[in-house]
Amino acid sequence: QVQLVQSGAEVKQPGASVMVSCKGSRYTFTGYTIHWVRQAPGQGLEWMGWIKPNSGDTKYAQKFQGRVTMTRDTSISTAYMELSRLRSDDTAIYYCASDPLDYFDYWGQGTLVTVSS
Amino acid sequence: SSELTQDPAVSVALGQTVRITCQGDSLRTYYASWYLQKPGQAPLLVIYGKNNRPSGIPDRFSGSSSGNTASLTITGAQAEDEADYYCNSRDSSGNHVVFGGGTKLTVL
Repeated sequence: QVQLVQSGAEVKQPGASVMVSCKGSRYTFTGYTIHWVRQAPGQGLEWMGWIKPNSGDTKYAQKFQGRVTMTRDTSISTAYMELSRLRSDDTAIYYCASDPLDYFDYWGQGTLVTVSS
Repeated sequence: SSELTQDPAVSVALGQTVRITCQGDSLRTYYASWYLQKPGQAPLLVIYGKNNRPSGIPDRFSGSSSGNTASLTITGAQAEDEADYYCNSRDSSGNHVVFGGGTKLTVL
């Protein structure tokens, strides 16, 4: 069974940066696009962007352009999402999800990022 | 438009059939995928492509599409189907992904 395991919860101050990791196992990590999706408390799902692990190519939602960076380390089958200049409204659960062909078949367990002074 | 629109809430009697819809211009070009999410859990894929179910998803879940509207149908809704349902697809440019706002399904 494919697994995506994310890093643990984070508490950050406004203006700081956060990096969330997503480690894939039991599948070919470079074969599937990884998306990042977030969910603010009581709100819906919001797509942030994707990274293609084989090439490192990325595409970001316009809302996050300039603040988000997605990278990967294929040697350890791990994708990363870094969000900078954090604000209180960035408080959310951040998910990674794998995409074989335009659908998100497996999701990480989610990482709660709390932005608070 | 790059948005997907869903009804905020829908209810269905136990054992009856319910349809959840998702509207958007991009759906004329791209298939929608459907996810259910229960409180405190990550989303779970239930329908993708034309009408495909991942392994383990009951066959009471089905998908269809017409024009700019995609639909998720649950035939014989069960109590455990009570959840939030989200659609997503590529946006009209084909380069980004969009989610619908979600539909809260209540099984009465």
